[in-house]
Amino acid sequence: EVQVLESGGGLVQPGGSLRLSCAASGFTFSSNAMSWVRQAPGKGLEWVSSIIGSGGSTYYADSVKGRFTVSRDNSKNTLYLQMNSLRGEDTAVYYCAKHNVGATIFDYWGQGTLVTVSS
Amino acid sequence: DIQMTQSPSTLSASVGDRVTITCRASQSIRTWLAWYQQKPGKAPKLLMYKASSLESGVPSRFSGSGSGTEFTLTISSLQPDDLATYYCQQYHSYPCSFGQGTKLDIK
Repeated sequence: EVQVLESGGGLVQPGGSLRLSCAASGFTFSSNAMSWVRQAPGKGLEWVSSIIGSGGSTYYADSVKGRFTVSRDNSKNTLYLQMNSLRGEDTAVYYCAKHNVGATIFDYWGQGTLVTVSS
Repeated sequence: DIQMTQSPSTLSASVGDRVTITCRASQSIRTWLAWYQQKPGKAPKLLMYKASSLESGVPSRFSGSGSGTEFTLTISSLQPDDLATYYCQQYHSYPCSFGQGTKLDIK
């Protein structure tokens, strides 16, 4: 059974940093691209970042480019999102999502982890 | 960047109704479109991909159509379990993008 489980969310002050993790199981992790998608309270879905299976290529939304870094450890079946210089508008539930092989289609999602940026 | 626009933003319908949600892309995305269902307090769930392909396990009352810039998601006979917000997503190119969502209420 495919599972993805996020962790690492919490309350952080503006300008602060946080690292999210996503533990994956039930599929060949290194063969699948992965993404982070976020949802601000009461709002829609916003794609944040993607990374290919090997980790060799990464992609970012303009809203987080230069502040967030996506990475993965295929030996641990874990995806990460390092978030620096956090702003109030980064407050959201962050979902980890597995790509369908060969396309940026999100076929499995975690339950999400809430990041709140506030003083 | 490709912008995705859904209509309507909210929709109220009765059990058994045929429901249609529209998604428009700001430029052609061929058939590189997916639909997701998000129930309150839950993660999104993939319903359709490549505009009209049904994800495994999704009820056959859901169908999708369209190509280029205009797409539709249809529920042939609305069920109480379909209460949710529906999102389209283009995966023609990065940055991939979602529509703003259509909230479906059951009358």
